[in-house]
Amino acid sequence: KNQVEQSPQSLIILEGKNCTLQCNYTVSPFSNLRWYKQDTGRGPVSLTIMTFSENTKSNGRYTATLDADTKQSSLHITASQLSDSASYICVVSATQAGTALIFGKGTTLSVSS
Amino acid sequence: GAVVSQHPSRVICKSGTSVKIECRSLDFQATTMFWYRQFPKQSLMLMATSNEGSKATYEQGVEKDKFLINHASLTLSTLTVTSAHPEDSSFYICSARDGRGGSGETQYFGPGTRLLVL
Repeated sequence: KNQVEQSPQSLIILEGKNCTLQCNYTVSPFSNLRWYKQDTGRGPVSLTIMTFSENTKSNGRYTATLDADTKQSSLHITASQLSDSASYICVVSATQAGTALIFGKGTTLSVSS
Repeated sequence: GAVVSQHPSRVICKSGTSVKIECRSLDFQATTMFWYRQFPKQSLMLMATSNEGSKATYEQGVEKDKFLINHASLTLSTLTVTSAHPEDSSFYICSARDGRGGSGETQYFGPGTRLLVL
């Protein structure tokens, strides 16, 4: 069964600190993996997208890694800001008809001052 | 980048009434649009996939007669919640797939519509 598991479920950090969010998946055949940021009451916004051959991708203070062998990905946030408070969703695309997206439940990050 | 809009952003309605939600791709043509529902602290759940000019494909457990989807043009899809009940209260999000060239798989999400049925 195609699944995406994220950890931790929630996280509280102080402004300026770094943090790392984890994503494990059992999706086959694998097409790509995306990290999205979803602010409360808003739609998801894409942060990074990685295919099978890519093992790291950066977008400003966000750096995603992918280990296709162990089927694990991480999202590292550097020098966190209050505006980073949001839900971060890992989404894996399966190579099949319709290009199905399998969503993780997300990690809720709260950055406090 | 590609922009997807939704209207309205939030709606409150009485039980038994119907509500229409619009999803538009503003700067690209979307041959395929997707409708999701999200409950608090839960992941997005795909409800249906709509292709321009054809009938929508609904996920298992989603009532097609209750959630009417129309994808009449390459930039507009609508979701109508018919005879809404309080349990239909949720956050509805659409996404559109940009079919141009190498970005063919990318889905762009709308900002969502908060539905509250009283």
